[in-house]
Amino acid sequence: GAVVSQHPSWVICKSGTSVKIECRSLDFQATTMFWYRQFPKQSLMLMATSNEGSKATYEQGVEKDKFLINHASLTLSTLTVTSAHPEDSSFYICSANSRRNSPLHFGNGTRLTVT
Amino acid sequence: AQTVTQSQPEMSVQEAETVTLSCTYDTSESDYYLFWYKQPPSRQMILVIRQEAYKQQNATENRFSVNFQKAAKSFSLKISDSQLGDAAMYFCAYTGQGAQKLVFGQGTRLTINP
Repeated sequence: GAVVSQHPSWVICKSGTSVKIECRSLDFQATTMFWYRQFPKQSLMLMATSNEGSKATYEQGVEKDKFLINHASLTLSTLTVTSAHPEDSSFYICSANSRRNSPLHFGNGTRLTVT
Repeated sequence: AQTVTQSQPEMSVQEAETVTLSCTYDTSESDYYLFWYKQPPSRQMILVIRQEAYKQQNATENRFSVNFQKAAKSFSLKISDSQLGDAAMYFCAYTGQGAQKLVFGQGTRLTINP
């Protein structure tokens, strides 16, 4: 079945540094990928829609200059948290589907801790 | 905007018994998809069941079934013969026709008592 790989699975960084998270579709091409954030004991909230070859679409309230998304190929989207602060500590998870209206496949998520 | 509401933050059930998790949603669209996802402690999102709004028949996957009431905008999940491995967070989710992005409910934490 379709698989989405996310890397790293966890990362600890110092305040003020940047962190890049990768989301890859391993056996299918994904023109669109989605990035979610999940705070402890809360639900998943969509941050942005990553579009291959064009700019990402951000949800209301998400800072596009802080959460940089690049979707340079049909199998890779990256989320860069720039100048990270402790309040950015969260679980970030990506998803993609292999074709329109097919079930979404989720990566395993990345736990980010900013100290 | 579409919203999804899960009114039960926590539920518990005895092993081998049946439990029903509630979900309601709000949308003005006529074609859409509804999902139940399971999130165990590993935090991996696992698709449990999926329902297309245009289908009147309720979806079923082994011990998991839904009661889809389109007019009432209700989408409950029934787990039969509960097993210890069913313990997890369960999220109800909505996506519009072709929209692909999911709107999640608040989640229900399910505990299975041995």
